[in-house]
Amino acid sequence: EAGVTQSPTHLIKTRGQQATLRCSPISGHTSVYWYQQALGLGLQFLLWYDEGEERNRGNFPPRFSGRQFPNYSSELNVNALELEDSALYLCASSVPVRTYEQYFGPGTRLTVT
Amino acid sequence: AQSVSQHNHHVILSEAASLELGCNYSYGGTVNLFWYVQYPGQHLQLLLKYFSGDPLVKGIKGFEAEFIKSKFSFNLRKPSVQWSDTAEYFCAVRGNNRLAFGKGNQVVVIP
Repeated sequence: EAGVTQSPTHLIKTRGQQATLRCSPISGHTSVYWYQQALGLGLQFLLWYDEGEERNRGNFPPRFSGRQFPNYSSELNVNALELEDSALYLCASSVPVRTYEQYFGPGTRLTVT
Repeated sequence: AQSVSQHNHHVILSEAASLELGCNYSYGGTVNLFWYVQYPGQHLQLLLKYFSGDPLVKGIKGFEAEFIKSKFSFNLRKPSVQWSDTAEYFCAVRGNNRLAFGKGNQVVVIP
């Protein structure tokens, strides 16, 4: 069974630009979660999507947004990039009735210069 | 909102030593508690979880954790570590349909 996949592996952007990160969940999983793992801050919950709808959002500004497609894959968009957005962005997926059992992807390393 | 505190962010110990990582949480509702592990170059993966019942939970690779409700704690233990246990360990609490993670413990086991 294929795990959660994320692309790209690394992304380098300039301050003020936009970044788009992609995630494909495990087959059969309809929920997708996004987390930010910044150095020394642990994992911070960003967004939760299920069945194409945003279900929950963490304490991040509106320039962090995303969407979930009909095939349950998801996109995270970060607009007006700031230096402190540099982090590892992790995607996780779960089946809807087991939101506590999340399977994580390898992450996208975003570097903002 | 729920929150998690982990102490001793960097731990260095020798093989065969015992390991205990502290985790304290705050959340007013029914908690589900987790320990995740991230080995070097690998994905974050679930080590063990507590939902209800026996407060002593056994996970993979000889790890166990004890839920102490009165102390709001869920400490992770392993009696005898191996070099392959070198990793970063994260405690998490589930509430409001989201996982809140601690900042992690970087554990280095010296052969």
